[in-house]
Amino acid sequence: GAVVSQHPSRVICKSGTSVKIECRSLDFQATTMFWYRQFPKKSLMLMATSNEGSKATYEQGVEKDKFLINHASLTLSTLTVTSAHPEDSSFYICSARIGPDGNSQYFGPGTRLTVL
Amino acid sequence: AQKITQTQPGMFVQEKEAVTLDCTYDTSDPSYGLFWYKQPSSGEMIFLIYQGSYDQQNATEGRYSLNFQKARKSANLVISASQLGDSAMYFCAMREGPGAQKLVFGQGTRLTINP
Repeated sequence: GAVVSQHPSRVICKSGTSVKIECRSLDFQATTMFWYRQFPKKSLMLMATSNEGSKATYEQGVEKDKFLINHASLTLSTLTVTSAHPEDSSFYICSARIGPDGNSQYFGPGTRLTVL
Repeated sequence: AQKITQTQPGMFVQEKEAVTLDCTYDTSDPSYGLFWYKQPSSGEMIFLIYQGSYDQQNATEGRYSLNFQKARKSANLVISASQLGDSAMYFCAMREGPGAQKLVFGQGTRLTINP
């Protein structure tokens, strides 16, 4: 099946710093990628939809200035958590869609962010 | 209102038994898709099975089958002959509308297979 990678897999940072997470589709082109956030023992919550070459679409309640998304190429989307705070600590997962109907969506392995 | 509801926070099953994980959904759109994903402790989301709202037959993928009851708006996952490696979190998700992109996930069910 299709492969989606994320880097880094784990990151620990100090409060106030910014952290960039990369999501790559390794063997296919993804015009659309998605960023999710998952708290411990909770479900995945969609943060934003990332479209190549255009601005991301953020879900209600997600601060676009806090979570910067860039989808500069058909194989790479980045999520930057700016001025991170302890409450931003979470598991961040990206996914990429294959095909126009969205029936095939493949997830990356996730990035665990810990803000001290 | 919850779009996807998984009422079983945890399930415990003996190895080799079949298990049914419940999922109900809520949508007024006639075109939608239903998905099941497995999330082991490593965190990755593994796609298991997909059912389209217009599909006449229940979806099957190896040991996984989806019991799709459209009138009741339920899409239960059935795992036959469970294995120890099936222990994980299982999420039901829905995509609404043709060409819709985003998935909405249920709360998840933690399945534990006992030897």
